[in-house]
Amino acid sequence: QKEVEQDPGPLSVPEGAIVSLNCTYSNSAFQYFMWYRQYSRKGPELLMYTYSSGNKEDGRFTAQVDKSSKYISLFIRDSQPSDSATYLCAMSYTDKLIFGTGTRLQVFP
Amino acid sequence: GAVVSQHPSWVICKSGTSVKIECRSLDFQATTMFWYRQFPKQSLMLMATSNEGSKATYEQGVEKDKFLINHASLTLSTLTVTSAHPEDSSFYICSASRGLETQYFGPGTRLLVL
Repeated sequence: QKEVEQDPGPLSVPEGAIVSLNCTYSNSAFQYFMWYRQYSRKGPELLMYTYSSGNKEDGRFTAQVDKSSKYISLFIRDSQPSDSATYLCAMSYTDKLIFGTGTRLQVFP
Repeated sequence: GAVVSQHPSWVICKSGTSVKIECRSLDFQATTMFWYRQFPKQSLMLMATSNEGSKATYEQGVEKDKFLINHASLTLSTLTVTSAHPEDSSFYICSASRGLETQYFGPGTRLLVL
């Protein structure tokens, strides 16, 4: 079993939809949880960073961490075609990040 | 803030030559820098972790003599692919960290070995 599981997609939604992206993990030691967005042929860009459990909101993005269920989510409201990218969840308890495989999201006009 | 640059953005070289990739944290001092490799449609694979002034720590299966890492300062790390071969062709990405918080990634370097 992988430490971090993420559905690879692709996930295809119409513009304006609410998108839900999820990851599950097995290591209860993880304390830091991140979501990165990666466009094709580019480096990952940090979207959200959460320490321990709880919710965090930034504009159209909301990150949720449920440590009791070992489950994290990223919600994108009012999705735009420019949101089309691969979304990687990542988590850590040391200086190393453990990544999910990434979910490809396509938002069509 | 937290901008990381990489140079070059892409490079084509002949088999057997060496290629150096630079990674710089532009607006912060990075306690640790990381080098990743990414194959098409796959997630990032950590190659090594480096701290300024000390030897890099390589992940299992990564040849330290082939992928030389130098972390000369708190803002600069270099990866040299020595005697490159076509199987070394890949997308190389660096990241920088200020501590146990998250990592900030560079834009990546695409290497093609002919």
